[in-house]
Amino acid sequence: NAGVTQTPKFRVLKTGQSMTLLCAQDMNHEYMYWYRQDPGMGLRLIHYSVGEGTTAKGEVPDGYNVSRLKKQNFLLGLESAAPSQTSVYFCASRPTGHINQPQHFGDGTRLSIL
Amino acid sequence: GQQLNQSPQSMFIQEGEDVSMNCTSSSIFNTWLWYKQDPGEGPVLLIALYKAGELTSNGRLTAQFGITRKDSFLNISASIPSDVGIYFCAGQLGRTGANSKLTFGKGITLSVRP
Repeated sequence: NAGVTQTPKFRVLKTGQSMTLLCAQDMNHEYMYWYRQDPGMGLRLIHYSVGEGTTAKGEVPDGYNVSRLKKQNFLLGLESAAPSQTSVYFCASRPTGHINQPQHFGDGTRLSIL
Repeated sequence: GQQLNQSPQSMFIQEGEDVSMNCTSSSIFNTWLWYKQDPGEGPVLLIALYKAGELTSNGRLTAQFGITRKDSFLNISASIPSDVGIYFCAGQLGRTGANSKLTFGKGITLSVRP
């Protein structure tokens, strides 16, 4: 009954460091998404994937890269972390893009860049 | 890009009161969704609306998909302390690829006084 699992849950980085956030889903979903949530800003889409091996840019993709080598995993990378990337990151998945198949969210990764 | 407007940013109500939240857009959506986020967790879907004019209930929650497809409202009746949280509206334009992305409002933080 895991659903969408995000790893790690918390992380503190120094400016310029790199790291990868992992999102894993066990529901055989095709579509996966990465969002960031900042106070008073709602959720903004960073990148998304409509299937294994495919990725696409969302609303705020700069400074991030993603990979979807396996269907169940969607990785979000920060090559050179900046303080502006301090945020809470949420991953979501859904079976397909069909309108009656809503997104399921993980519990988030809280990332602080010093 | 598309934007969803939710206001006010915060609402304070007394336990037992009803509360109504609005979400408006400058462009149409073909699906409207309402999510709730508890502290430290990811958003959880409350209600999904798929047809203009549709009125859907889920327990004490009622939501409507506006006839113009540019707005939606969520009503919570007889509020209880566990209704506290951030309420997001989200819209989806289409079924596949880029059109399957969700656009989120900035959220309304609801506080319930016992």
